[in-house]
Amino acid sequence: DTGVSQNPRHKITKRGQNVTFRCDPISEHNRLYWYRQTLGQGPEFLTYFQNEAQLEKSRLLSDRFSAERPKGSFSTLEIQRTEQGDSAMYLCASSTRQGRSNTEAFFGQGTRLTVV
Amino acid sequence: GENVEQHPSTLSVQEGDSAVIKCTYSDSASNYFPWYKQELGKRPQLIIDIRSNVGEKKDQRIAVTLNKTAKHFSLHITETQPEDSAVYFCAASQGGSYIPTFGRGTSLIVHP
Repeated sequence: DTGVSQNPRHKITKRGQNVTFRCDPISEHNRLYWYRQTLGQGPEFLTYFQNEAQLEKSRLLSDRFSAERPKGSFSTLEIQRTEQGDSAMYLCASSTRQGRSNTEAFFGQGTRLTVV
Repeated sequence: GENVEQHPSTLSVQEGDSAVIKCTYSDSASNYFPWYKQELGKRPQLIIDIRSNVGEKKDQRIAVTLNKTAKHFSLHITETQPEDSAVYFCAASQGGSYIPTFGRGTSLIVHP
């Protein structure tokens, strides 16, 4: 599968624990995005990387959330001291430049987080 | 930042009818408008997109129109089929960072 890959697919954790998710983008894609999606809502932007640089972060993002993309390839999203409100699907997407435009964002299957 | 409104939230049609989903956006700098289809339990997948230098684009039974002056764009599905049943999301973004802002989605139900 040469698409965007996310691990794990499901994660159940107790409130207060830390969790980390991984995203492997399409190999030639230099842009990587993290989104959060709750039931009945559209994907909500969390953060964006171009290569290894984190260029934008949502103002709604709590400081308990941190993301990295150390070598400009895979990325990790960590949530510290999880709360029940963090329960959601966490989607990763990647894109690249094609001529003078960007390609669309290709999404991974997501990591479904349940905080109990 | 960008704000995208999408209507309706639910759309129920009979097989063979047409379906129209409408979106508005707030940032006049947005110039790329993709539409995604998300089936239950699956990832969002692009079905069609339009850039601000065109007003309409068609791909078989799917078409998208864009009115930059009014800042709205629409998805049109003709001859709907049960397999078109899914949640559809519109999005808008600028060409620089390309960070799509999504609407809240439309649940399309096509009855056989």
